[in-house]
Amino acid sequence: EAEVAQSPRYKITEKSQAVAFWCDPISGHATLYWYRQILGQGPELLVQFQDESVVDDSQLPKDRFSAERLKGVDSTLKIQPAELGDSAMYLCASSSTRGVNTEAFFGQGTRLTVV
Amino acid sequence: DQQVKQNSPSLSVQEGRISILNCDYTNSMFDYFLWYKKYPAEGPTFLISISSIKDKNEDGRFTVFLNKSAKHLSLHIVPSQPGDSAVYFCAAMSYGNKLVFGAGTILRVKS
Repeated sequence: EAEVAQSPRYKITEKSQAVAFWCDPISGHATLYWYRQILGQGPELLVQFQDESVVDDSQLPKDRFSAERLKGVDSTLKIQPAELGDSAMYLCASSSTRGVNTEAFFGQGTRLTVV
Repeated sequence: DQQVKQNSPSLSVQEGRISILNCDYTNSMFDYFLWYKKYPAEGPTFLISISSIKDKNEDGRFTVFLNKSAKHLSLHIVPSQPGDSAVYFCAAMSYGNKLVFGAGTILRVKS
């Protein structure tokens, strides 16, 4: 069964360091999402791609966060410099359709701890 | 401003009984609604969805009801099983596949 792949599963980094997360969506999925989930809260959208284009990054803290999906396939989310408040689960999801609603499938997530 | 609200942080149900999880939304542009289940340290898993043109969708033990006039949906699980214990997220989608989540409800099914 096709899955969304994310790496690493866990990451511990010191504040002010740079950290990067990688996501490989389900093959053929045009829409890719990065979400951040803080314990006790729902996933919060950071950025949404349609193919290689960003369609929503309104909640992405652009002074320290960046995201790219250069060939419209896999994607990287980077934080530089990391802050203590960035400790959270970072989730990647993908969905197949263009302009038609359908479910999004999630990867296992990356648990980030900033110390 | 929270567009998708799950007002019950937790719910406890006896095994074999019905679990009812509720969700309210404020944005009239939402036209597709989804429920996800999440275990600790894992990503959310898709459970069931419903389009705004329907008022009910059923898949095995899971049924989702949508009341558009009240901007309310609910997930019914019957019979509830201990393995159903998890966090359940309600999510809503609008044009362009923009997907917004609620804060989640922790379901505990007691055996």
